[in-house]
Amino acid sequence: NAGVTQTPKFRILKIGQSMTLQCAQDMNHNYMYWYRQDPGMGLKLIYYSVGAGITDKGEVPNGYNVSRSTTEDFPLRLELAAPSQTSVYFCASSYSGRGVTDTQYFGPGTRLTVL
Amino acid sequence: QQQVKQSPQSLIVQKGGISIINCAYENTAFDYFPWYQQFPGKGPALLIAIRPDVSEKKEGRFTISFNKSAKQFSLHIMDSQPGDSATYFCAASGMGSSNTGKLIFGQGTTLQVKP
Repeated sequence: NAGVTQTPKFRILKIGQSMTLQCAQDMNHNYMYWYRQDPGMGLKLIYYSVGAGITDKGEVPNGYNVSRSTTEDFPLRLELAAPSQTSVYFCASSYSGRGVTDTQYFGPGTRLTVL
Repeated sequence: QQQVKQSPQSLIVQKGGISIINCAYENTAFDYFPWYQQFPGKGPALLIAIRPDVSEKKEGRFTISFNKSAKQFSLHIMDSQPGDSATYFCAASGMGSSNTGKLIFGQGTTLQVKP
């Protein structure tokens, strides 16, 4: 199993450009998440999904969009990139069922710089 | 009520010493308390986790102590080694309607173990 994979690893964007961060998991997890990590700030949840076709906002959703058409994939879309979106982005997945949350497995991250 | 407060922000320990990181939470609906370890350039990885039905969980040199009444939990790393140098995050989640299994992360502790 590859686990959680993310592409690209690094990206530099100009202000106003758009891009999609890709995330895929091969563990048949129903839950998937997108976080951003800023220095000294821990991880902040951007969006999450409890299954294909179902997404919801996290703590910091502004400037981002997500979709989940399959169990495996959960892309994150940045529209009109701003310097405030410079961060490291992590995708994660977990299995949750019968009222119990299981371990979240993280991808290796995408380091995004907006200039 | 959704916050998880982590301290200290950074920690320097001599090889062989004990590293202690503390976290406090407010939401009594939380029922899952994991610790994640993150090395530079990598995604967080689950280190150890506890549920509130026990007060302590030990895995090798790593121990979680949990105090439900005080709403606090801590990570103890015994016989700390230079290879333990990393950033550690505590987190909490619950399956109540307001959480849906989402993890709330502490701000992180950067641990340096000196040889």
